[in-house]
Order: sequence, then structure tokens, then C-alpha cells
Amino acid sequence: KAGVTQTPRYLIKTRGQQVTLSCSPISGHRSVSWYQQTPGQGLQFLFEYFSETQRNKGNFPGRFSGRQFSNSRSEMNVSTLELGDSALYLCASSLYGSAGSTDTQYFGPGTRLTVL
Amino acid sequence: GNSVTQMEGPVTLSEEAFLTINCTYTATGYPSLFWYVQYPGEGLQLLLKATKADDKGSNKGFEATYRKETTSFHLEKGSVQVSDSAVYFCALSDPTGGGNKLTFGTGTQLKVEL
Repeated sequence: KAGVTQTPRYLIKTRGQQVTLSCSPISGHRSVSWYQQTPGQGLQFLFEYFSETQRNKGNFPGRFSGRQFSNSRSEMNVSTLELGDSALYLCASSLYGSAGSTDTQYFGPGTRLTVL
Repeated sequence: GNSVTQMEGPVTLSEEAFLTINCTYTATGYPSLFWYVQYPGEGLQLLLKATKADDKGSNKGFEATYRKETTSFHLEKGSVQVSDSAVYFCALSDPTGGGNKLTFGTGTQLKVEL
């Protein structure tokens, strides 16, 4: 089975631009979560989608948004980029991921975003 | 809220040494606990997990036991190899609310030398 894939792997943008990152989950997985990883803040949860609905959201400004399609693929968008948005953005998928779930989240390789 | 505390790194060991990376957690419910590993330039790989108290997760020589009484999930390996050099993250699943969310520790970098 193919793992979680993320595209693109690397991105360079300038302040004020917007960016869209894509994530394809493991086949059959319906839950997709996004995380931001930075040296200063570590790994932080952005949001989670299940059946095309945002089910959980972390503490990030509204510039960060996402969506999920009927085939479970997900995109996240960051508008009006700031220097502090430079990070590795990781996508993870799991089967169902219900509350209190014991499902395992499987991570993709990440998209490295650099904002200049 | 939920939180995970890991020992500070880097941890530097000689090959074949014994490894312990401490992890303690705070959670309002009964979380599942995970160890993930990240190699340079890569995403996170699941190393092992435990879903209830006294469960022991194990994989590739690594072990961790879910200790509810001490709210701990320490990672151990009897004999480390150079190839184990990586960053290790302890995490818990959020048992409250609706949906899937992992809370991570800050990560512990392990360096294994010949």
C-alpha cells in the first residue's frame, strides 16, 4: 500500500503571497490531519478533516485553512504569508480517528515551506 | 489541557549502549500513547504505541510501557546502533472532543557514535 504523499516537497514564497499544499492519504483512510513543525514551537496541530468536514482545529489564525475532497485527499492553504510561516508542514492520515481513538496516524514526508 | 514532557537532548551514546528517553504526560482522559521517530529530512514514522494502562509497545528492539500511575511512557532499547540516530517524539492522542489530534513532546535528538 502506498503511504501518505505530499506535494510539493519544497516551496519558496515571498511575504504576502498565498500557498496551497496537497496531501493524499493512504488508500481507505478517511481522516486527514495537518501539523506545523518549526524549531521554536515544535509540532503543532493545525486541523483535521473527516468526510469532507473539519472536525478539529488547532490554535492558528484564520489565514490557515483547509479542505478535504470526496476521495479523502486534502489541501491546506495559507494566505498572506508571513516570515514566521516558514516551517515543515506534515500531513497524517488514519482510518477513522474518532474521539478517544486508538487509530494510528501515518505521516507523509512533509512540505518544506520557506517564506522570504 | 493535554501536554507531553520529554527529556532534553541531544543524547549521545556509544554503539551498543542502553537507551532510555523519558516521557511523561498530562491528560484529562485515557489517551493512547505513541513514539514517533524522525530521520533527517523526513517525516515522522511510527515506532510503537500503547492504547491502555500496562500495555507494552515494542518494535525494532525499542520498548515502552504505558504507566498510568506515574503518567509515563519511557522509551528504552537495550543496544543502540548508529542507524538509530534520529529525533524521537513522544505523543498522545487527545481523548476529548471529536476527532483526531496528537499532542507532541519537544523531541529528543539521539546521536549514536561508533
